[in-house]
Amino acid sequence: DAKTTQPTSMDCAEGRAANLPCNHSTISGNEYVYWYRQIHSQGPQYIIHGLKNNETNEMASLIITEDRKSSTLILPHATLRDTAVYYCIVRVTGANNLFFGTGTRLTVIP
Amino acid sequence: EAGVVQSPRYKIIEKKQPVAFWCNPISGHNTLYWYRQNLGQGPELLIRYENEEAVDDSQLPKDRFSAERLKGVDSTLKIQPAELGDSAVYLCASSQPGRGAEQFFGPGTRLTVL
Repeated sequence: DAKTTQPTSMDCAEGRAANLPCNHSTISGNEYVYWYRQIHSQGPQYIIHGLKNNETNEMASLIITEDRKSSTLILPHATLRDTAVYYCIVRVTGANNLFFGTGTRLTVIP
Repeated sequence: EAGVVQSPRYKIIEKKQPVAFWCNPISGHNTLYWYRQNLGQGPELLIRYENEEAVDDSQLPKDRFSAERLKGVDSTLKIQPAELGDSAVYLCASSQPGRGAEQFFGPGTRLTVL
């Protein structure tokens, strides 16, 4: 599986967009980029995934560069409840095992 | 739709004692996972079930850990005897057939071994 690199921590002002980067320079052509988040004292929660096109759902947007070597998760209007650890995972779709790194700890500041 | 249910939420035991965690996955999810999460780290897979069969238990410390998933629904993870280093959060997750990368997690059981 391709390795991912994320910043250890980030801050974001409430109401502003939170942009969380992820590097995955060794990603293979059939590997998707998945994002999960983990709010304190809860289990991880699936957010979004994509292959090469940008994706958007009710929670976030995922922007993948054309060379697919990096991606950015965007929370368009961060709230205090978005404070969590965000994990970027690269995986072949349908594959069962997820490998979580240490993620990015996002703190949304009032 | 009910989520993944785990119990207990917290457990404190002394070392060398046994402990068990229970998980009820989302209805219709045939794949069930047990993860362990140490403080400050991401979850790490211990075992994965496809229905009743444990298809990946390569990371399960088999000398003291055991798991079962009778009838392909609920699952129990057991540690006997517990060691100080087993203190962690134990997470259960489930997924639909063919959608293993979209897993639904329970709240976890926080185990403290004294």
